[in-house]
Amino acid sequence: DVKVTQSSRYLVKRTGEKVFLECVQDMDHENMFWYRQDPGLGLRLIYFSYDVKMKEKGDIPEGYSVSREKKERFSLILESASTNQTSMYLCASSSWGGLAGAGEQFFGPGTRLTVL
Amino acid sequence: AQKVTQAQTEISVVEKEDVTLDCVYETRDTTYYLFWYKQPPSGELVFLIRRNSFDEQNEISGRYSWNFQKSTSSFNFTITASQVVDSAVYFCALSVSPLNAGGTSYGKLTFGQGTILTVHP
Repeated sequence: DVKVTQSSRYLVKRTGEKVFLECVQDMDHENMFWYRQDPGLGLRLIYFSYDVKMKEKGDIPEGYSVSREKKERFSLILESASTNQTSMYLCASSSWGGLAGAGEQFFGPGTRLTVL
Repeated sequence: AQKVTQAQTEISVVEKEDVTLDCVYETRDTTYYLFWYKQPPSGELVFLIRRNSFDEQNEISGRYSWNFQKSTSSFNFTITASQVVDSAVYFCALSVSPLNAGGTSYGKLTFGQGTILTVHP
């Protein structure tokens, strides 16, 4: 079974703090993704990575950075947390589908982050 | 750019009713993939189905069925004889072929806004 785990289910931080959200997958997937989920907006892609040390911006990268030093681990970093970053953060991974197209994404349970 | 629209924000039905969740997509790519995911109250998204753009056959899996129509750019999801356990948020998503996107999309998903389905006993 594919498993994607996230370091925390709930997190409360103060404005200005540096926040690290960790994601680990155990299926040797090439691709990893970070989304945020807000009511009425669905899931929006923040960053993704298709290989170790490789990263690409998603649709809403401002205020975030990422790190992928090992294939199984993808970290999301909020350099200076702000209240508008209060949200549910979801990590996902998928295999490289190649010519067959995108593999389905497998999601972690999410981290609900509150910034006070 | 890709876009997915789920116009129904919330749907409420009584158990055993049939319910259809609408999904309309926009893309200029000729090769693309459509997905449905379910997010139960526990929060973890669960994959339900993937269809590619060159296969318009409808699909049935138990009480679930999907109707893909390229002519109307729609990929609707029907639950027959709904049950309380079907209560969840359902997301439709679109991914374009990595080749069409210059090899850099790597299976990025564009999600719709989600439809909250509540099935009452």
